[in-house]
Amino acid sequence: DGGITQSPKYLFRKEGQNVTLSCEQNLNHDAMYWYRQDPGQGLRLIYYSQIVNDFQKGDIAEGYSVSREKKESFPLTVTSAQKNPTAFYLCASSMISGSSYNEQFFGPGTRLTVL
Amino acid sequence: GEDVEQSLFLSVREGDSSVINCTYTDSSSTYLYWYKQEPGAGLQLLTYIFSNMDMKQDQRLTVLLNKKDKHLSLRIADTQTGDSAIYFCAENTGGFKTIFGAGTRLFVKA
Repeated sequence: DGGITQSPKYLFRKEGQNVTLSCEQNLNHDAMYWYRQDPGQGLRLIYYSQIVNDFQKGDIAEGYSVSREKKESFPLTVTSAQKNPTAFYLCASSMISGSSYNEQFFGPGTRLTVL
Repeated sequence: GEDVEQSLFLSVREGDSSVINCTYTDSSSTYLYWYKQEPGAGLQLLTYIFSNMDMKQDQRLTVLLNKKDKHLSLRIADTQTGDSAIYFCAENTGGFKTIFGAGTRLFVKA
């Protein structure tokens, strides 16, 4: 079955530690995204990537880093510099512009809690 | 700049129709979407409408687009308890980036 997987579903970390969230897709999509979701604020874009070995900052990139070494993988690292990291993190992918309606496909999310 | 606004909560009784409203600011939006999020899960595309359309119907779902007022609505007929979720309005101007609203939490009372 094609889709996006995120792991782990729940993640706990101590303040001051870096943590990496996994995102894998087998949809052969070129573009991948990371969003942060907080109650009442909707989705905010952290980073996105249109092609392997290239990525751009979104609206709230400070305190986060990403890599795109393979087309199917787009891991997100939440660094100790992120002041308020507790949130629900969603990964998504889509075909590059030129597809029929640019639908984004989402993973099930990772809930990160900083203790 | 780009912005999508929607009310945060809506409560309806089972069997009634639900109408979720959204306003957007980018007049060059090519596609407008409604996504659904079940508790603790990712978003799933419910339906979309192309900017040259006024209405789209898909079973119990009706999408209305008023380009002049930059207003989008989603009507769910015969709302069921399984429709309880967060509904996100979103816009795309034809590129890779999609702007999402804050989401409307729909409560369906039995």
